[in-house]
Order: sequence, then C-alpha cells, then structure tokens
Amino acid sequence: DSGVTQTPKHLITATGQRVTLRCSPRSGDLSVYWYQQSLDQGLQFLIQYYNGEERAKGNILERFSAQQFPDLHSELNLSSLELGDSALYFCASSVHTGTGYEQYFGPGTRLTVT
Amino acid sequence: GIQVEQSPPDLILQEGANSTLRCNFSDSVNNLQWFHQNPWGQLINLFYIPSGTKQNGRLSATTVATERYSLLYISSSQTTDSGVYFCAVSASGSRLTFGEGTQLTVNP
Repeated sequence: DSGVTQTPKHLITATGQRVTLRCSPRSGDLSVYWYQQSLDQGLQFLIQYYNGEERAKGNILERFSAQQFPDLHSELNLSSLELGDSALYFCASSVHTGTGYEQYFGPGTRLTVT
Repeated sequence: GIQVEQSPPDLILQEGANSTLRCNFSDSVNNLQWFHQNPWGQLINLFYIPSGTKQNGRLSATTVATERYSLLYISSSQTTDSGVYFCAVSASGSRLTFGEGTQLTVNP
C-alpha cells in the first residue's frame, strides 16, 4: 500500500458525460500528480499541483481540469467524454529523498467510456 | 523532452532464471525510478535510483548517470514477478517520463 488513495476504482460512463476522480496524497506530501495510462499513449503525465497551486502541466486536454484543495486532496474533472478517454488514471504524491523526489502511485481509477 | 527507451519489450522466462532489463534515457536526470505494474494494474515502487547501485532481495538496480542508462536485475525469478516493468525519469524534479515498459512473463 503506497498510502495514496484514489476513488472510485472503476467508472463506466457514456460519451459526452462528465466525471470527477478523487485522490488523497500520502500524509505530509504536498504534491499531487495525475497521469493517464492508455493502450495507445502509454503512461503520460497530465498535471501537478503543489500545496494548492498548479506547478506543471503536461499533455492535458482542455476538456480536463484539476484542482487541489486546502486539505491537499485533489480532483481531476473530465468532461465531454470521448471513447478515447477510456484509460487508467493514476494519482501520485512525492517525498523528498534528500537528493530528489520519489513518487508513489495510487491504485488508479479505471475509466470506461461507452 | 526526455526520451526513455526500454529493452527488451517482451521477455519470457522459466521460473528460477535470471534477467536484466535496460533503460536508456536521452538527457541528464535527477530522478530515476523503476516500477512493477502487476496484473491488477497497480504501480509498485521498486527503486528510486538516479545514480549508483541498490539491492532489495532478489532485485537490484544500477544507474550509470554519466552514460544515461539504468539496469534492473531480477534473480531466481518467480511467477509473481510477472507483469510490466517501467523505468521513469525526471529532469526537473517534477513530471516523470515513462518508458514503454518490459512485459515479463515467468512460467512455472
């Protein structure tokens, strides 16, 4: 158990709908990262938040948005869903090792868009 | 951005065999991690190893940062070692860039 929690574990929804994925980082970790794992794109970084502020942005679609709340949990909102958005969505948090940051991943949310 | 190449893409072993997985990266990094993705999809941390050598049981890893590669060694493999092994790197202390993974199958 990495200490990072994600809900829900599975989500099945229809095209055009909107969903919210939730993540709680490990206790004490201020950073939250979101990644998408799809069959054709592999594991890709979407966005990072640090203590409530957006820190880095990757290949995140405009239909997707995220935020980090004062209690440090984060939500990833996916709207106008398309079949191609079906993927495993991971959240991670990081701990400083003294030389860098080691990321720990949650169990993921498997999204199926039908 | 940084490119990460893993080899081999697929590996099939008999239980008890040893193996070496390789990760090449295209630029200097300050973070390199190895992960095992099990059949249930979980990403399990194996090593945080931007440089040097580490060992954990039957697994060990070496990163030669100056030559931009890392190796993951699995000895006396077991069926539970099956899954996908990912190498991921970061140059900024932020986002991880993942390789495409090595699919390992260990047969009894």
